[in-house]
Amino acid sequence: EPEVTQTPSHQVTQMGQEVILRCVPISNHLYFYWYRQILGQKVEFLVSFYNNEISEKSEIFDDQFSVERPDGSNFTLKIRSTKLEDSAMYFCASKAVQETQYFGPGTRLLVL
Amino acid sequence: AQSVTQLDSQVPVFEEAPVELRCNYSSSVSVYLFWYVQYPNQGLQLLLKYLSGSTLVKGINGFEAEFNKSQTSFHLRKPSVHISDTAEYFCAVSDDRGNKFYFGSGTKLNVKP
Repeated sequence: EPEVTQTPSHQVTQMGQEVILRCVPISNHLYFYWYRQILGQKVEFLVSFYNNEISEKSEIFDDQFSVERPDGSNFTLKIRSTKLEDSAMYFCASKAVQETQYFGPGTRLLVL
Repeated sequence: AQSVTQLDSQVPVFEEAPVELRCNYSSSVSVYLFWYVQYPNQGLQLLLKYLSGSTLVKGINGFEAEFNKSQTSFHLRKPSVHISDTAEYFCAVSDDRGNKFYFGSGTKLNVKP
């Protein structure tokens, strides 16, 4: 069964550094999403992406965040200058036109 | 906008006992409803979903849920739990196009021998 994959599974970075989290959505999906889950808290929507542009973003998704689909397969989340509070599990998800979202296994980001 | 409430943050239960995890939602539009399970240090795995049709939905691992529109609920049930069901369970709602999921705060199910 096709699945969403994410790399790396874990990333440790210093505060102020840039990080790029990578996702490979399911191949025929058209809608892409990023969510985050701070330790012990609920999963929160960050951004949705369709047709090579952001379709919706949350208050969390400020100017430090950006998303990109640089080629036909990858979907990336970039955090330009990481803060301690960016430490979280980041989930990528994708879906077809009228379907449920399928989530990747997540990237655990730790900002020191 | 939609929102999801999971009233129980933790549910302890003995093995082979039945369990119900509660989920209520609010929405002004038609919704899709989902239950996800998260095992320690792992991602979100879809248990079951309600999109339309029969209000009783059966999922993986013997779980089922019933959509109750009048009570705006989507409670998750299992008649007999196993130790391996110990995990955190998240209820989620999206609009009827499947965009922008809203998650509940999660319920930790702890199955004891």
